Amino acid sequence: ELKVEQNPLFLSMQEGKNYTIYCNYSTTSDRLYWYRQDPGKSLESLFVLLSNGAVKQEGRLMASLDTKARLSTLHITAAVHDLSATYFCAVAPYSGAGSYQLTFGKGTKLSVIP
Amino acid sequence: NAGVTQTPKFQVLKTGQSMTLQCAQDMNHEYMSWYRQDPGMGLRLIHYSVGAGITDQGEVPNGYNVSRSTTEDFPLRLLSAAPSQTSVYFCASSQNPTSGRWYGSYEQYFGPGTRLTVT
Repeated sequence: ELKVEQNPLFLSMQEGKNYTIYCNYSTTSDRLYWYRQDPGKSLESLFVLLSNGAVKQEGRLMASLDTKARLSTLHITAAVHDLSATYFCAVAPYSGAGSYQLTFGKGTKLSVIP
Repeated sequence: NAGVTQTPKFQVLKTGQSMTLQCAQDMNHEYMSWYRQDPGMGLRLIHYSVGAGITDQGEVPNGYNVSRSTTEDFPLRLLSAAPSQTSVYFCASSQNPTSGRWYGSYEQYFGPGTRLTVT
């Protein structure tokens, strides 16, 4: 059974500071996704990481993937209040002909304090 | 291009009632799925479909039925609602590989969600 663990689950940080969210998963995965969710809203795709060593950046967020360690990180640089949200990682192993299933972590609720 | 749409946005049911949550997509995606989101639990897969006429169970299928008669629509039926089914339900869709290994991102696009309360 694939397990996905995120930590921390809650993160309160000051504006301007840097921090990293970690996503560990238990089995081989073909791809890893990061999503953002604002309260009462749907999930917004942030990054798709498809191979070992993949690194993607968008604004103050940077995601990386280490498939050997089964670890992805979401690094936040110089946080601003607008980044306050819940962040989910999800993994998708190849599970058979023509199908796959996303397994999500429990999410990291990020609060950026002025 | 509306993407993934869901109706209703909110619903209150009494225990034992049945209802259907609607999901539609206009992106010609083969893969569609239903998730439920509960506080502190992330999203959990209920059922999924890899094309019209083909469905399968996810992690938490009990109490739910699905069918896929068209590429566009993937309704989720609650047969006899229970308080444990109080949740936020998301439908998602993506492309599907035709054969062999995956070479694309096959990113899943999520609908706006349905907030269901069962009393």
